[in-house]
Amino acid sequence: QVVLTQSPSASASLGASVKLTCTLSSGHSSYVIAWHQQQPEKGPRYLMKLNSDGSYNKGDGIPDRFSGSTSGAERYLTISSLQSEDEADYYCQTWGTGTGVFGGGTKLTVL
Amino acid sequence: EVQLVESGGGLVKPGGSLRLSCAASGFTFSTYSMNWVRQAPGKGLEWVSSISTSSRYTSYADSVKGRFTISRDNAKSSLYLQMNSLRVEDTAVYYCAREYCSGGRCYGVDDSWGQGTLVTVSS
Repeated sequence: QVVLTQSPSASASLGASVKLTCTLSSGHSSYVIAWHQQQPEKGPRYLMKLNSDGSYNKGDGIPDRFSGSTSGAERYLTISSLQSEDEADYYCQTWGTGTGVFGGGTKLTVL
Repeated sequence: EVQLVESGGGLVKPGGSLRLSCAASGFTFSTYSMNWVRQAPGKGLEWVSSISTSSRYTSYADSVKGRFTISRDNAKSSLYLQMNSLRVEDTAVYYCAREYCSGGRCYGVDDSWGQGTLVTVSS
């Protein structure tokens, strides 16, 4: 079964850029994933679907500051020009053999 | 605008039952697979269940298999989750989510979320 691995935390300064990583388990490097943002005390918000070739489809209203990329089994979410409202939990998601799968989430702190 | 509105959450005793509903609008409900996802207090997101467009295919997390039943009514643009034999560990906010579908294919990831409904299982 596919497993998604995320670092528990990350931090970056206001106005800087940050790259979050979601790693697919061995043998699953071709999988599509999605990135979601969850701000404090709010429900999740879809950011983008990220394909194995690095192309992505963003949700409506998602700023250009959010982008995705791929390298092998790694799926990245890059946020540039960090703003205070970007401080949130970020989850990656995929579909395994008959089941949905989420990564453990990365808590992003904007310094 | 896509809208997903959950309802039906509340406080229930261990062993009890609850039925969650999700009212969908702003898109052609019958052409999208749908999912339930939950989040226990202070924890991450956990996929619970999925249902295909025609209800032909359903799937469940091992943690709820045999106790929860997902269903849908395309005529009413509504998704449901019947939860039986509830346990303390089922306490969570339950989210209804629409699956990303394009060109007649669904990708197993979600592209729209409801605001969630809280289920508390406690004696």
